[in-house]
Amino acid sequence: EAQVTQNPRYLITVTGKKLTVTCSQNMNHEYMSWYRQDPGLGLRQIYYSMNVEVTDKGDVPEGYKVSRKEKRNFPLILESPSPNQTSLYFCASSLEVVGSPLHFGNGTRLTVT
Amino acid sequence: SQQGEEDPQALSIQEGENATMNCSYKTSINNLQWYRQNSGRGLVHLILIRSNEREKHSGRLRVTLDTSKKSSSLLITASRAADTASYFCATDARSTGAGSYQLTFGKGTKLSVIP
Repeated sequence: EAQVTQNPRYLITVTGKKLTVTCSQNMNHEYMSWYRQDPGLGLRQIYYSMNVEVTDKGDVPEGYKVSRKEKRNFPLILESPSPNQTSLYFCASSLEVVGSPLHFGNGTRLTVT
Repeated sequence: SQQGEEDPQALSIQEGENATMNCSYKTSINNLQWYRQNSGRGLVHLILIRSNEREKHSGRLRVTLDTSKKSSSLLITASRAADTASYFCATDARSTGAGSYQLTFGKGTKLSVIP
């Protein structure tokens, strides 16, 4: 089944403890992206990648890192999480960079205390 | 930066009625997409309309695009309780980096369809 898989689905952690949210797609998509969703603010793009080894900042990249070593994986890394990174995170991918629908994962709800 | 803005923020209608949601954006686009999100779940793609298209249909969905007014509308006809969800428009635009593209989302319209 074609899908974008994010893990974990829920994560509670403490300030400063490094964490990684994994994202994998099995559709051979070129484009991958991370968004965070907060009440009243909608979806905001964190980072995106147009191909392997090519990543670029979105609108809210501070406090996050990504890597795209393989086409299928695009992990989101929080080196030192803070409470303001408590949010609902979505990974998404699309076949092409422009003009293709995004396929979303089911989300990761992160709480940083 | 937020490109698209949906209007209204919330909409409540009776089952069987039509629902219309609007999206306005600021800069030139290549295409505009509409997505649906059930509470807390991942977004699901509904329709993509290109900048040279004016109208597109998919089942009970009709999307229009007016590039002169920088606006789009999503019409859901004969709504059902199962249509209750949030609806987002997304636009792609060239970012400041050469050859870079971003797909940016509005804040969404929350639709409630009352049985």
